[in-house]
Amino acid sequence: DTAVSQTPKYLVTQMGNDKSIKCEQNLGHDTMYWYKQDSKKFLKIMFSYNNKELIINETVPNRFSPKSPDKAHLNLHINSLELGDSAVYFCASSQRQGAGANVLTFGAGSRLTVL
Amino acid sequence: GENVEQHPSTLSVQEGDSAVIKCTYSDSASNYFPWYKQELGKGPQLIIDIRSNVGEKKDQRIAVTLNKTAKHFSLHITETQPEDSAVYFCAASIRTGNRDDKIIFGKGTRLHILP
Repeated sequence: DTAVSQTPKYLVTQMGNDKSIKCEQNLGHDTMYWYKQDSKKFLKIMFSYNNKELIINETVPNRFSPKSPDKAHLNLHINSLELGDSAVYFCASSQRQGAGANVLTFGAGSRLTVL
Repeated sequence: GENVEQHPSTLSVQEGDSAVIKCTYSDSASNYFPWYKQELGKGPQLIIDIRSNVGEKKDQRIAVTLNKTAKHFSLHITETQPEDSAVYFCAASIRTGNRDDKIIFGKGTRLHILP
């Protein structure tokens, strides 16, 4: 069983379109994240949710809207896509407290290409 | 500010030799320092981590050292093997305004193991 699964793995779309990426974790973790990795491999945190509550928002443009229907799912919706949104988006999860706090388990990534 | 600096950006070592990657951080409140390995087409995977109450930790061929006074930490890989070729990221926990931490990553080191 995949611990953190993202769909789709690849996404190619035109500028101005709206797209979504879905993420699910079966680890029973409390906290989920979205990270963006650009072409230079820089990994930057975008959002963090704890049990459906937004706890970190790294001044990401409001075209990006995360949604967490339950603590096992965190989806990312992007409106009016721009060329600069092209990147690999990684979902991750962790426990909030205890020995596993901050230990991130990443998904395999979703490569978004905006043409 | 929130900053994790990582050096070098690229490292080539002969198979069997040792590799060392160094990182510095800016937030003196950081207390958790993980290292992730990212292979081509995959998400980052935790390989070792250290918390601030420990100065050194070892797991087989991998070791991490932490100097809290100088705010730097290092990854040491001994007896390198071809499968060690990957991009390695250091990271540090940054305390946010509430009781949650976020994990900030360095810019990565591309390690090449030469045959």
